[in-house]
Amino acid sequence: GDSVTQMEGPVTLSEEAFLTINCTYTATGYPSLFWYVQYPGEGLQLLLKATKADDKGSNKGFEATYRKETTSFHLEKGSVQVSDSAVYFCALSTGSGGSNYKLTFGKGTLLTVNP
Amino acid sequence: NAGVTQTPKFQVLKTGQSMTLQCAQDMNHEYMSWYRQDPGMGLRLIHYSVGAGITDQGEVPNGYNVSRSTTEDFPLRLLSAAPSQTSVYFCASSYHPSSYNEQFFGPGTRLTVL
Repeated sequence: GDSVTQMEGPVTLSEEAFLTINCTYTATGYPSLFWYVQYPGEGLQLLLKATKADDKGSNKGFEATYRKETTSFHLEKGSVQVSDSAVYFCALSTGSGGSNYKLTFGKGTLLTVNP
Repeated sequence: NAGVTQTPKFQVLKTGQSMTLQCAQDMNHEYMSWYRQDPGMGLRLIHYSVGAGITDQGEVPNGYNVSRSTTEDFPLRLLSAAPSQTSVYFCASSYHPSSYNEQFFGPGTRLTVL
């Protein structure tokens, strides 16, 4: 079945450091890939997405490239801020319609950025 | 647009009690779903609905009921609460259940069952 594996946290960085959170996936067909972010005490919100191979999703300085050959969708940011402290979830979705549609999440990576 | 709203934010139940978690969206979304979030396990799908009057089971449906009488509302019922149902519950919606579409999440309900 479909699965998402992301690096285990927690990840602790200093402000302005470079961030990478690794994500790999297993899926049948051609999934879309997502990064969701959950700030403390809040629900998940979409950070970025890519719907086909070689697409790059970007938002708020974060980027991730859909790599079909390595089945990966690693999240990167060149210079993190304290406000980026959150839990990051990698996810994939496949299918369309009720029972065919599926959204699968990784377990989440807690990022803490210190000033 | 309020987006996806959930009530209550926090709830404490005793084993065996029942309750309903409310979820509403004002975006005219076709697809709505309930997830539970447990430490180290990501989010797991409980039930989903592709439109008013249509619901189906997700990955972990046991102990939960849902109904969808209107496009806007998708309540989740716990029939007889158990400590294993202590979790954070998220309602989500999307325009159409397609791999191209993002889901919009509510702020969550933190439930503790004693």
